[in-house]
Amino acid sequence: DIVMTQSPDSLAVSLGERATINCKSSQSVLYSSDNNNYLAWYQQKPGQPPKLLIYWASTRESGVPDRFSGSGSGTDFTLTISSLQAEDVAVYYCQQYYSTPITFGQGTRLEIK
Amino acid sequence: QVQLVESGGGVVQPGGSLRLSCAASGFTFSSFGMHWVRQAPGRGLEWVAFIRYDGSNKYYADSVKGRFTISRDNSKNTLYLQMNSLRGEDTAVYYCARDGMADSRRGNYYMDVWGKGTTVTVSS
Repeated sequence: DIVMTQSPDSLAVSLGERATINCKSSQSVLYSSDNNNYLAWYQQKPGQPPKLLIYWASTRESGVPDRFSGSGSGTDFTLTISSLQAEDVAVYYCQQYYSTPITFGQGTRLEIK
Repeated sequence: QVQLVESGGGVVQPGGSLRLSCAASGFTFSSFGMHWVRQAPGRGLEWVAFIRYDGSNKYYADSVKGRFTISRDNSKNTLYLQMNSLRGEDTAVYYCARDGMADSRRGNYYMDVWGKGTTVTVSS
């Protein structure tokens, strides 16, 4: 199974500042035949289901604010929130879909400093 | 609008069974693979199972293989999860989620639409 490890486990950032969450996979999730990274990011607010933010490592889902961006390739990925808003307080998860079983990172809790 | 609504959760004794349902609306259900994902209290997300859009391929997490069965009825726009031999560690909120790629032979990609979840508690 591919193990997904996020860092940090929790993060406190001031409003308007940049937030960066990292995700590392135990093996590459870059599929050579299509040159896509099989990596997604989700946001989960308390009492709500997860919400898809980013897929193919850097493609923003429709309706997601452009302050959210994804980057990286192979085994190392980053979710960046360019200017933190109060409504961004949530737990963020990365997920690989390169191989079965699908696996998620353990989550990163983002709070306001 | 696109919507998934889970039902069938509840309290069950260890060793018991439960069947979850997920009613889909607002999109062509028969064109999309579907997932079940669970979240134990205070814990992270765990993928449980996937079924291809036509029901021909199914995949399971090792933790549920042989105990849970995913199925679908495209005529009723409904996804199911039959859970047998339930254990305490199966206690969780169970979400159904739509696979992000329509009409995919491979399936099992990211999840672009999620239901609100149904709670399963396994306890004596």
